[in-house]
Amino acid sequence: AQKVTQAQTEISVVEKEDVTLDCVYETRDTTYYLFWYKQPPSGELVFLIRRNSFDEQNEISGRYSWNFQKSTSSFNFTITASQVVDSAVYFCALRETSGSRLTFGEGTQLTVNP
Amino acid sequence: EPEVTQTPSHQVTQMGQEVILRCVPISNHLYFYWYRQILGQKVEFLVSFYNNEISEKSEIFDDQFSVERPDGSNFTLKIRSTKLEDSAMYFCASSERWEGDNEQFFGPGTRLTVL
Repeated sequence: AQKVTQAQTEISVVEKEDVTLDCVYETRDTTYYLFWYKQPPSGELVFLIRRNSFDEQNEISGRYSWNFQKSTSSFNFTITASQVVDSAVYFCALRETSGSRLTFGEGTQLTVNP
Repeated sequence: EPEVTQTPSHQVTQMGQEVILRCVPISNHLYFYWYRQILGQKVEFLVSFYNNEISEKSEIFDDQFSVERPDGSNFTLKIRSTKLEDSAMYFCASSERWEGDNEQFFGPGTRLTVL
C-alpha cells in the first residue's frame, strides 16, 4: 500500500532563512508520481510541482527547489530566502500508476516570521 | 484560467440529514474526484469517477456516500445521513486524463459542519 510521511509537523523560521520540508514515501509500484501542494490559511490546495519516478533530476523554480532521491524514497522541498507569504501547510502526495487516488502526507505547517 | 468551482462554500446541517455538495469541474476534463480533510488533518481520497461510473473508492466511501454527474457540467457528492464525524472540508478535483502525470485541479472546497 502507498504511504507518505511528513515527519515535521510544524516548522517556524525567520524571514529570509532557507527551509527544507521532508517527505518520505512508500510504494510497490515501479512507476509513480510525486506532488507537492500548498494550503494557505484560506484553505485551497495549490499545486506546486509534479515529479515522475523515472526522472530524478532536481528542479528549481524561483525560490523553490525539489530534491528527489529514489534510493532513499524521499522528495524534499526547499524554500530559499523564505517570505511571510510562504506561511502555509505544505502537503506531499503520491500517486501510483495502478490507481487514481492521491495519497497525501500529514502536512507540514510552515510559519515564516518577519 | 479555467478552474474548478464548488458550492456552497460552507454548509451547516443537523446530524441525520442528507446533504449534497456540488462541483463544476473544468469543462474539458473527463475525470472527477472527491477528497475530504477533517480539520487539522491530512487530505484523504474518497472516490474517482469517469464515464458515469465510479473508478475507484476508498474505505471511507461507504454506503452513506454517493456521487453523480446529473448533467453535463455538475458533479455531486451526496451524504445520505450525516454523522458528526462527517464534518470536514470536502474538495472536488478534476483532470483531463487518467495518467498519473496529469494534474488534478482542486476546487476551493466546501466546509461541511454537522451539528
